[in-house]
Amino acid sequence: GPKVLQIPSHQIIDMGQMVTLNCDPVSNHLYFYWYKQILGQQMEFLVNFYNGKVMEKSKLFKDQFSVERPDGSYFTLKIQPTALEDSAVYFCASSLGQGYAEQFFGPGTRLTVL
Amino acid sequence: AQKVTQTQTSISVVEKTTVTMDCVYETRDSSYFLFWYKQTASGEIVFLIRQDSYKKENATVGHYSLNFQKPKSSIGLIITATQIEDSAVYFCAMRGASSGSWQLIFGSGTQLTVMP
Repeated sequence: GPKVLQIPSHQIIDMGQMVTLNCDPVSNHLYFYWYKQILGQQMEFLVNFYNGKVMEKSKLFKDQFSVERPDGSYFTLKIQPTALEDSAVYFCASSLGQGYAEQFFGPGTRLTVL
Repeated sequence: AQKVTQTQTSISVVEKTTVTMDCVYETRDSSYFLFWYKQTASGEIVFLIRQDSYKKENATVGHYSLNFQKPKSSIGLIITATQIEDSAVYFCAMRGASSGSWQLIFGSGTQLTVMP
């Protein structure tokens, strides 16, 4: 099936540093998402992005978070500065449309904030 | 509030048998979409099957099928002829169609173990 790629697979950083998580969505998809999963728990929606804009964000999407997709390249999630509670696996997803369209997920980036 | 609940934390079955995983949901939307995903031991998340709320027929894809009971706000996943490689965590998810929300709301997952 369609593949979403994420780079890196694992990132370890010190609290207060900046981190950028990269996502390469399915090539013809138009809608992009980030989800956060703390170990052993369900995935929780952070944000979705369409046509260069944030369309919806959750309470988990703090002011320190930002997303962009410059010039149709990687869809990125930047956290600046990071906090201990940001440690989690971050999943990127993309979909061709909204509503009924299934979202395809990447393999996740495990972020560890020390 | 929109919510998805999976009460079964874990299920163990013998391979080649049929298993049903439960999921109930709450939504204000009159139209919505229900999804099942599985997360493998490696962490990969795989889309399995979708049910549109306006469709009465239960969706079926391969050895996955759904038991959609709209009056009970229930969407069970049925896996027939289970295989060892079906062992994974199964997540039920919902997305509203009329509220304008884009997010998938996930349940807490059910760990399925298929034994030889």
